[in-house]
Amino acid sequence: QKEVEQNSGPLSVPEGAIASLNCTYSDRGSQSFFWYRQYSGKSPELIMFIYSNGDKEDGRFTAQLNKASQYVSLLIRDSQPSDSATYLCAVALTGGGNKLTFGTGTQLKVEL
Amino acid sequence: GAVVSQHPSWVICKSGTSVKIECRSLDFQATTMFWYRQFPKQSLMLMATSNEGSKATYEQGVEKDKFLINHASLTLSTLTVTSAHPEDSSFYICSARDGDLPDTQYFGPGTRLTVL
Repeated sequence: QKEVEQNSGPLSVPEGAIASLNCTYSDRGSQSFFWYRQYSGKSPELIMFIYSNGDKEDGRFTAQLNKASQYVSLLIRDSQPSDSATYLCAVALTGGGNKLTFGTGTQLKVEL
Repeated sequence: GAVVSQHPSWVICKSGTSVKIECRSLDFQATTMFWYRQFPKQSLMLMATSNEGSKATYEQGVEKDKFLINHASLTLSTLTVTSAHPEDSSFYICSARDGDLPDTQYFGPGTRLTVL
């Protein structure tokens, strides 16, 4: 089992819809969770971080964390074509030092 | 805030030469920086963790004598690819850890290396 798992996609949603991206992790003791967006040919950009169970909202983005079920998700409301990118889930695993463990990413395509 | 720069953004070099890439945190002090490599259509691969004033910690399979890392100050880390070969051609990305936000890493824009 991979430490951080994401569906590679592509996930296609129509413009204006809600995109739901999911991530599961294996280490129950993990405390910090991150979502990064990476456009093709560019470096990752931090979108959100979440430490506590529940929802965290920032503009059109909502991160959801459920430590009991070991999953973290990212919702993008009113999806725009400019949201088309690969979304990387990253987790600070227990005992990982300062490192983040990244999932392989989910490719999102927002279609007109 | 939380801006990380990298220089150069791209470099083309001949096989056998060495290339140095700089990573700077512009508006915060980064006690820890990370170096990643990414091949086309593949995931980020962590190469090493760099702590200011100490030796870098390399991931398994990464040659420390080939990829020299120096983190001499709280705002600068360098990666030198020594005796580069075509198989070293890749997208090299650094990140810096913001000590005020546990575990949060901010990425530089990356350096695209092409070895001829």
